[in-house]
Amino acid sequence: EILMTQSPATLSVSPGERATLSCRASQSVNSNLAWYQQKPGQAPRLLIYGTSTRATGIPARFSGSGSGTEFTLTISSLQSEDFAVYYCQQYNNWPPYSFGQGTKLEIK
Amino acid sequence: EVQLVESGGGLIQPGGSLRLSCAASGFTFTSYAMNWVRQAPGKGLEWVSGISGGSIRGGPEGTYYADSVKGRFTISRDNSRNTLFLQMINLRADDTAMYYCAKEESYHNSGPGHYWGQGTLVTVSS
Repeated sequence: EILMTQSPATLSVSPGERATLSCRASQSVNSNLAWYQQKPGQAPRLLIYGTSTRATGIPARFSGSGSGTEFTLTISSLQSEDFAVYYCQQYNNWPPYSFGQGTKLEIK
Repeated sequence: EVQLVESGGGLIQPGGSLRLSCAASGFTFTSYAMNWVRQAPGKGLEWVSGISGGSIRGGPEGTYYADSVKGRFTISRDNSRNTLFLQMINLRADDTAMYYCAKEESYHNSGPGHYWGQGTLVTVSS
């Protein structure tokens, strides 16, 4: 099973600033990496798949990069609605599809 | 508009059984792989099970399970009713979670969940 490790666990950033979230895989997942956003009491929402492709309706301020074992989600200018928990997921070697433990993005 | 509505959750005693349903609309259900993902209270996401799109020649769909549920959970789909199921037996306290169904964007299980339901809560407790 591929282990996904996200860092940091909590990230404090001011509105309007850039946020950079990291995700590391225990072995290569090629480009088969997705990012989700989850707000309290809501289901996860797909943001990015294939490492860097934005899902339908996702604003351009969200971008993904990386390959192999190291991946990054960047939010270029944080809006109030972006404060949430973010998960990465690999779908290269499955089952299981494995998720990271999440990064909580909070207002500084 | 894609809609996924889960139901069937509730309070169940350890060792009990429950069947979750996910009613799908807004897309050709039989053409897409589906998954169940769960989230224990205050915890992260855990993939539970997946099933490929509906069988074309009447044979079984591909089904996949996390080790933690293998032998206890069974995923299935009724393409005539546009409904996904998760039959759960021998439930344990650590199965307590919100259960989400999620739709992939291909026939074969191969990618992320592009659409998710709002979840149904399963609580296993005496």
